[in-house]
Amino acid sequence: SQTIHQWPATLVQPVGSPLSLECTVEGTSNPNLYWYRQAAGRGLQLLFYSVGIGQISSEVPQNLSASRPQDRQFILSSKKLLLSDSGFYLCAWSVVGAYTEAFFGQGTRLTVV
Amino acid sequence: KQEVTQIPAALSVPEGENLVLNCSFTDSAIYNLQWFRQDPGKGLTSLLLIQSSQREQTSGRLNASLDKSSGRSTLYIAASQPGDSATYLCAVRPLGYSTLTFGKGTMLLVSP
Repeated sequence: SQTIHQWPATLVQPVGSPLSLECTVEGTSNPNLYWYRQAAGRGLQLLFYSVGIGQISSEVPQNLSASRPQDRQFILSSKKLLLSDSGFYLCAWSVVGAYTEAFFGQGTRLTVV
Repeated sequence: KQEVTQIPAALSVPEGENLVLNCSFTDSAIYNLQWFRQDPGKGLTSLLLIQSSQREQTSGRLNASLDKSSGRSTLYIAASQPGDSATYLCAVRPLGYSTLTFGKGTMLLVSP
């Protein structure tokens, strides 16, 4: 069966520090991968998605970047965190195709202080 | 631009009640609609996926319906239990997109 791992679960970082959140999927090949952010009262916002290694689409211009160095690995990064980067970050995956189901990881709570 | 709205934003019911959560979307051009459950501080758990050609899907005490032409979906929870307390999110996958558009969710509290 397929599983998705996301870490760390919680993170407290000072303003201006770098960020690296990692997500890996097991039990499937060539998945679509996604990063979402959930802010209080604002719902889930799509940040990045990837349909293959090295292929990243950005939905919202911001202080973050994403990379996909391996087929089932998706990384969210920042060179210098801002207070506004605080939030709950969720990684998700789906099988390639339009009619497929999406599955989410357990999320990372990021607090920038 | 697709927009998804969920009503009510919060709902509190006593245990045993049957309840309905509503989801509406502005553009009927979708591949599918998915209902999720989110416990506090946790990720999303997929509950039901309804393809655009389907009218409903059932899983245990959950039943989701889809009326694509009117842009509406409902999630019906039978005989609610305290363990059903969570936030329920609906999301649609618009035609031509690989990604989901989410509503803001309905926070459900079931009291014993």
